[in-house]
Amino acid sequence: DAKTTQPTSMDCAEGRAANLPCNHSTISGNEYVYWYRQIHSQGPQYIIHGLKNNETNEMASLIITEDRKSSTLILPHATLRDTAVYYCIVPPPYSGGGADGLTFGKGTHLIIQP
Amino acid sequence: DVKVTQSSRYLVKRTGEKVFLECVQDMDHENMFWYRQDPGLGLRLIYFSYDVKMKEKGDIPEGYSVSREKKERFSLILESASTNQTSMYLCASIQMGTNIQYFGAGTRLSVL
Repeated sequence: DAKTTQPTSMDCAEGRAANLPCNHSTISGNEYVYWYRQIHSQGPQYIIHGLKNNETNEMASLIITEDRKSSTLILPHATLRDTAVYYCIVPPPYSGGGADGLTFGKGTHLIIQP
Repeated sequence: DVKVTQSSRYLVKRTGEKVFLECVQDMDHENMFWYRQDPGLGLRLIYFSYDVKMKEKGDIPEGYSVSREKKERFSLILESASTNQTSMYLCASIQMGTNIQYFGAGTRLSVL
């Protein structure tokens, strides 16, 4: 997997936009960036993924730089329930027949302050 | 919504017991995974299955086995539980053609 680097922790005020950065400078041309999050004592939850264009869904927006070496996950109006560990991963192109699984690093612990 | 259901949230077992962790998914996914998650070590893949009765070892299969008799159900078996298998166990299935994995809520297993 392409290596990713994320800050260990971040704080954000409730109601404000939370911007979570991720560096993936070794990403190759056909590798997607995926974001997951894990709320305490729950399983990881898929958020969003993208290749090179910005993406938005009901949970978040993903901004990928033009050189694809970094990205930012944006939670537009953070709530207390968004407090979680956020993982940015760059898995090999889909290999569903293989046994690679997903490799999660340490992620960013996002704390939403009331 | 895709649902991956793990049979227990919390389990307490004794050393030497045989332990079954059950996982069911409702989206007809071919591929399913079992991971364990420990503080400081992240997620580690135990076993993977890409079809009924098909399985492959992940990174840490020692002490575990799996069973996939039906497409929707993937079971993790601890043949003789040991204290170093105390962990959070996570089951997942994958949406074909993507790396979108859907996880269950997890089973926190304590082996005493």
